[in-house]
Amino acid sequence: GAGVSQTPSNKVTEKGKYVELRCDPISGHTALYWYRQSLGQGPEFLIYFQGTGAADDSGLPNDRFFAVRPEGSVSTLKIQRTERGDSAVYLCASSSSGSGTEAFFGQGTRLTVV
Amino acid sequence: AQKITQTQPGMFVQEKEAVTLDCTYDTSDPSYGLFWYKQPSSGEMIFLIYQGSYDQQNATEGRYSLNFQKARKSANLVISASQLGDSAMYFCAMRVYTDKLIFGTGTRLQVFP
Repeated sequence: GAGVSQTPSNKVTEKGKYVELRCDPISGHTALYWYRQSLGQGPEFLIYFQGTGAADDSGLPNDRFFAVRPEGSVSTLKIQRTERGDSAVYLCASSSSGSGTEAFFGQGTRLTVV
Repeated sequence: AQKITQTQPGMFVQEKEAVTLDCTYDTSDPSYGLFWYKQPSSGEMIFLIYQGSYDQQNATEGRYSLNFQKARKSANLVISASQLGDSAMYFCAMRVYTDKLIFGTGTRLQVFP
C-alpha cells in the first residue's frame, strides 16, 4: 500500500482479555517500529524489527507484551491479560533502513481497556 | 542517559508570522539524528525535517528550518509564515545508534488569524 496501515483503528477490550494489533508497513521497508503514546505524552519506543528479527525489544514494558514479524513485512503486537494502564494509542512506523532516514508512521490503533 | 526536552507545552502565533519551537537533547553518542514530527488532531505523525549530528549546515525544508546548535545541544524548529493548518502538536525526536526514536513531550502550536 501507499502508507503504513494499522488495524483496527480503535479497539475496546475488557480488562484481562488478549488483544492483537496489526501493522502493515510500506512495501519494501525492512525496519519496523512499535511505539505507544499515552494521552498528553510523546510516543514511547516499544520494539524495533530489522527484517524478521527483533533488533531491540528494550521498550516492551513487561512479559505481557510480545510482537512478531514472521515474514519480514506485517507485524502483530500482542498484549496478554490487558490492564487499564495499557490504554493508549499504539503507533507503528517503518523505514527503508534502520538509520539515517525518516520513519513513516501509521495512524495508530487506539486501545481502550475497560 | 538519552533524553529530549521540550519546555513549551503550548505556543500561540499569528498567521503569517514566524515561530520557534524549542528542543534540547542529551546524549553521549557522537553520532545521532534529530527529527521533528507534526501530529495533527487526526493522530498521524508527519515527518517534517531531519538533521544529522555531523551535518555542517542547518537543515531546511520549505517553510521549516532547524536551528542546530551542537555545543548547546539544541535543535529548535523554526516555522516561517505560519498558516492555520500548522496548528498541531509538534514533537522533537532523537535517534542514536540503536535506531529507535526518543521523543519529547511535544509542543502544541495554535495559529490564529
